[in-house]
Amino acid sequence: NAGVTQTPKFQVLKTGQSMTLQCAQDMNHNSMYWYRQDPGMGLRLIYYSASEGTTDKGEVPNGYNVSRLNKREFSLRLESAAPSQTSVYFCASSEAGVRVNQPQHFGDGTRLSIL
Amino acid sequence: EDKVVQSPLSLVVHEGDTVTLNCSYEVTNFRSLLWYKQEKKAPTFLFMLTSSGIEKKSGRLSSILDKKELFSILNITATQTGDSAVYLCAVIYTGTASKLTFGTGTRLQVTL
Repeated sequence: NAGVTQTPKFQVLKTGQSMTLQCAQDMNHNSMYWYRQDPGMGLRLIYYSASEGTTDKGEVPNGYNVSRLNKREFSLRLESAAPSQTSVYFCASSEAGVRVNQPQHFGDGTRLSIL
Repeated sequence: EDKVVQSPLSLVVHEGDTVTLNCSYEVTNFRSLLWYKQEKKAPTFLFMLTSSGIEKKSGRLSSILDKKELFSILNITATQTGDSAVYLCAVIYTGTASKLTFGTGTRLQVTL
């Protein structure tokens, strides 16, 4: 059972470079999320997608863009990487809706370093 | 501003001890509180609590929610070295996608 799959697992970028983090889930979940995790800060929501075709900003969206490509896939793009974006990025999904309480399930993360 | 606060920040115990981890929250439109365990990689789901006063149990782990006082506790009895991890508390609130607000976590280390 794959669950939530993130690629790549590790990446080193130079300041100003761009890259896309990929996320796919095979649980037929409606909602998908991108978080970053920094020491002492916990997990912070960058963007989320309540359902296919919709995306919304979370707590820390600046410097990022997202695409909900289809129901399975939700990508996160850094257009011009900055050292402040060095972090571990997690993708999550849930069978969430307005009236549904369901936990989010997480991928293994992408460790991103910006030099 | 929505806030989730966990205490203690870190804890070292001996194998066999019982530990209690705390989570307090200030969130508008609260729906549920979740506990996750994070070892080296992905946070893994432990419990979701929606109703006040009802204990959830799974083996040596249990959790309870107090919606009046706005907190939850996670208990681990007879701790083992495999319980060493960061334990994350998160609150889910009303929105189009049931967004989570996380605390910063409690780092638990269980020693022999």
